Amino acid sequence: EIVLTQSPATLSLSPGERATLSCSASQSISDYLAWYQQKPGQAPRLLIYDASNRATGIPARFSGSGSGTDFTLTISSLEPEDFALYYCQQRSASLSFGGGTRVEI
Amino acid sequence: QVQLQESGPGLVEPSQTLSLTCTVSGGSINSGSYNWNWIRQSAEKGLEWIGRIYAAGSTGFNPSLKSRVTMSVDTSKNQFSLTLGSVIATDTAVYYCARGVHKYGPFDSWGQGTLVTVSS
Repeated sequence: EIVLTQSPATLSLSPGERATLSCSASQSISDYLAWYQQKPGQAPRLLIYDASNRATGIPARFSGSGSGTDFTLTISSLEPEDFALYYCQQRSASLSFGGGTRVEI
Repeated sequence: QVQLQESGPGLVEPSQTLSLTCTVSGGSINSGSYNWNWIRQSAEKGLEWIGRIYAAGSTGFNPSLKSRVTMSVDTSKNQFSLTLGSVIATDTAVYYCARGVHKYGPFDSWGQGTLVTVSS
C-alpha cells in the first residue's frame, strides 16, 4: 500500500498570504495525485487532478506541482474561504488518501 | 451538473448489515466511463475508499473490507447501493458516495455524506 504523508499538519496563515502544502508518497506515483479541499460539515471538493490540472471551476490561485514522490499544493494568496482541510489522494496503485493539512487563520 | 445524495439508516446495531443508497441526479449513471464509489471518513481512519461499481455492474473493493462489502447498481432508478455486513463500532463514519473519473479516482462529484453510527 502506498502511504501519503502530508505536511505540515497545520498551517497558520493570514488572508493574502501564500500557502504551500506538501504531500509525500512512500513510492513513486508518477503524476497520479489529486488534491481536495474540505470544509466543516461538507464533502471533499476536487481541486487538482494528475498533480497539476485544476478541476472545473477552481480558481487560478490554486496550483499543483510535483511528480514521483513529492508534490505541492500552492494557494498563491489566501482568501477567507480557503481556510479549510486539504487532502491528497493517489491513484497509481489502488488508491489512498493522505492524513490532511489544516489551513487556519 | 451531476448531484449525488446518500440515503439510509443512521444507526445500525453491531453484527448487523449497513445498507446505503446513492441517488444520482442531473446526469445518467450510464453516461461516459465514470464509476460510482463509496468512501467513508472517520476521525480514527481518515478518508477510506470502500469500493466502486460501473453502470455495467463490475466492481472493485478495498481489500481490507472486501469480505464484508457488496455493491449493486440500478440504472433504471439512477441509483447504486452499498451493503457492509457484520458491522462493528469502528465502522462508524460519515459515508459518502462519489463519482470517479478513472479506476482509482479522482472523485469529481460527491454526495453530502451521511453519518452512520454502529451501536446497540
